[in-house]
Amino acid sequence: AQKITQTQPGMFVQEKEAVTLDCTYDTSDQSYGLFWYKQPSSGEMIFLIYQGSYDEQNATEGRYSLNFQKARKSANLVISASQLGDSAMYFCAMRGHSSNTGKLIFGQGTTLQVKP
Amino acid sequence: KAGVTQTPRYLIKTRGQQVTLSCSPISGHRSVSWYQQTPGQGLQFLFEYFSETQRNKGNFPGRFSGRQFSNSRSEMNVSTLELGDSALYLCASSQGQDTDTQYFGPGTRLTVL
Repeated sequence: AQKITQTQPGMFVQEKEAVTLDCTYDTSDQSYGLFWYKQPSSGEMIFLIYQGSYDEQNATEGRYSLNFQKARKSANLVISASQLGDSAMYFCAMRGHSSNTGKLIFGQGTTLQVKP
Repeated sequence: KAGVTQTPRYLIKTRGQQVTLSCSPISGHRSVSWYQQTPGQGLQFLFEYFSETQRNKGNFPGRFSGRQFSNSRSEMNVSTLELGDSALYLCASSQGQDTDTQYFGPGTRLTVL
């Protein structure tokens, strides 16, 4: 079975500093995709970054980068130069097996608070 | 391009009633997935529709159903509401390929009294 684990229920970071949010995953599939989403208090899930299992380079999107360590089955999100607007819940998710279309498996999330 | 829209944003119902939620995907997207988010269970997959056909279904009782129209808009229906159905219901759209990113709407917050 596929599973996503986020072990940090809550984290604090000082404005302008970098922060790493942890994500480990479990799957027996060779081909899979990993996503990070941000959920502000308003509720909408905002897509941040994607990493495919066959991608050799770590994904980056602006201030977001994904530290992908395949052997360790980890896909940590790094946010550089934190801003107050980064305060939100962050979810790591995995695309299910190709026969399980349209389904994302989510971790429990990490609440990030950015301090001024 | 307009994002995913969901209506209504908020709903209050009583036990035993039924409810219909609507989701309009991003233009050109043919797949719509639905999720239930609760504090206790987190985000759980309900079902996915593609070209008016249900392609995948999560582990929810038959009270939860959905459909998709020819314009890719989707509705989900919950019959005989229970207190435990109180949740944020999120829909997400994608182009429909297995590798595509899902983009979410703002959600419908359902409260069952």
